[in-house]
Amino acid sequence: AQTVTQSQPEMSVQEAETVTLSCTYDTSENNYYLFWYKQPPSRQMILVIRQEAYKQQNATENRFSVNFQKAAKSFSLKISDSQLGDTAMYFCAFMKRARDDKIIFGKGTRLHILP
Amino acid sequence: DGGITQSPKYLFRKEGQNVTLSCEQNLNHDAMYWYRQDPGQGLRLIYYSQIVNDFQKGDIAEGYSVSREKKESFPLTVTSAQKNPTAFYLCASGQDRDMNTEAFFGQGTRLTVV
Repeated sequence: AQTVTQSQPEMSVQEAETVTLSCTYDTSENNYYLFWYKQPPSRQMILVIRQEAYKQQNATENRFSVNFQKAAKSFSLKISDSQLGDTAMYFCAFMKRARDDKIIFGKGTRLHILP
Repeated sequence: DGGITQSPKYLFRKEGQNVTLSCEQNLNHDAMYWYRQDPGQGLRLIYYSQIVNDFQKGDIAEGYSVSREKKESFPLTVTSAQKNPTAFYLCASGQDRDMNTEAFFGQGTRLTVV
């Protein structure tokens, strides 16, 4: 069974700094997706970034980028020039690329951006 | 606008009563999911469905039931057998026929059992 581990329950950084959230996963699959979701205080889950395992290039979305290390089964999220609106819970998630599979989430990292 | 809608946003029930949470999507997604979120536990999968009239148990299915009679709808019933039902429940949909997938989430339902 696949598992997703986020080793940092909580983090705090100053506004405008760069922060990296860690995520590791365990799978024997070769073809899969990885996601980072953001859950602000409103509790609405928002997709931040998606990585397809067969793509070697790291995904980037504006200030958000990932460091995808397939051999190490590591998928960290880097937030550059952090903003107060980045304060949220961040969840790492995994899904096999198969019609019968489910999305598995880590326990989350609570990120505080300090003014 | 396309999206996924959960209702109600807040729900209160007496202990021992069954309650049904609604989830509707108009994104034409095949897959739908129900997650439970508790503090420090992340999102735990209750049930998921990849196609109409079929669904699978997730990691914490005991005390819950679902149906998938229509592609757009995936209601979750919290039964009296669920020992600790007070939680935040999230519904999601995803995966089109080309398996391009990301999960789109509803706004959640906060269930409180008193």
